[in-house]
Amino acid sequence: DIQMTQSPSTLSTSVGDRVTITCRASQSISSWLAWYQQKPGKAPKLLIQKASSLESGVPSRFSGSGSGTEFTLTISSLQPDDSATYYCQQYSTGFRTFGQGTKVEIK
Amino acid sequence: EVQLVESGGGLVQPGGSLRLSCAAFGFTFSGHWMSWVRQAPGKGLEWVANIKPDGSAKHYVDSLKGRFTISRDNAKNSLFLQMNSLTAEDTAAYYCARDWSDGLQNPIDYWGQGILVTVSS
Repeated sequence: DIQMTQSPSTLSTSVGDRVTITCRASQSISSWLAWYQQKPGKAPKLLIQKASSLESGVPSRFSGSGSGTEFTLTISSLQPDDSATYYCQQYSTGFRTFGQGTKVEIK
Repeated sequence: EVQLVESGGGLVQPGGSLRLSCAAFGFTFSGHWMSWVRQAPGKGLEWVANIKPDGSAKHYVDSLKGRFTISRDNAKNSLFLQMNSLTAEDTAAYYCARDWSDGLQNPIDYWGQGILVTVSS
């Protein structure tokens, strides 16, 4: 199975800061990577697919990049509503895997 | 509006079985891969299984060791997860989820609200 490793596990940062989350795949997954946002008690929400394609309605401060085994999710200017846990997921094959998540806290 | 509504969760004893159901509304159910994803209390997301639109292909996370079976009834717009030989490690919220399209390589774009399964004596 393809393993997905996210870093950091948690980060505490201030409103307006630039935030970068990294996701590494154990083997190449081309651009078959999605990013999700999950708030407590809620289902995840798809933010980005195919590594860099922003979903409709998602604020433009979110962006994704990367291919192969290294990917990043960037929030250009953190807003209070962005406090959540973020997950990457590979869908290169029928056997899907999620990263372990990155909790973003607002200072 | 796309809706996925899970049912069938609850408290079950270790070694027991449970069958989860997911009713789908607002889209052409037979046109999408469907998945189950679970989340143990306070933990991250774990993909469990998925099934092809016509039911002819299924994939499972290795750690299940054949205890779970995913199935679907396209005539009834329903997805199922049969869970056997349950242990405390299976305690989680289980989400029914829809893939973006009918191809193999698509992300999940819609999720149900999740249903809790608790395995305890």
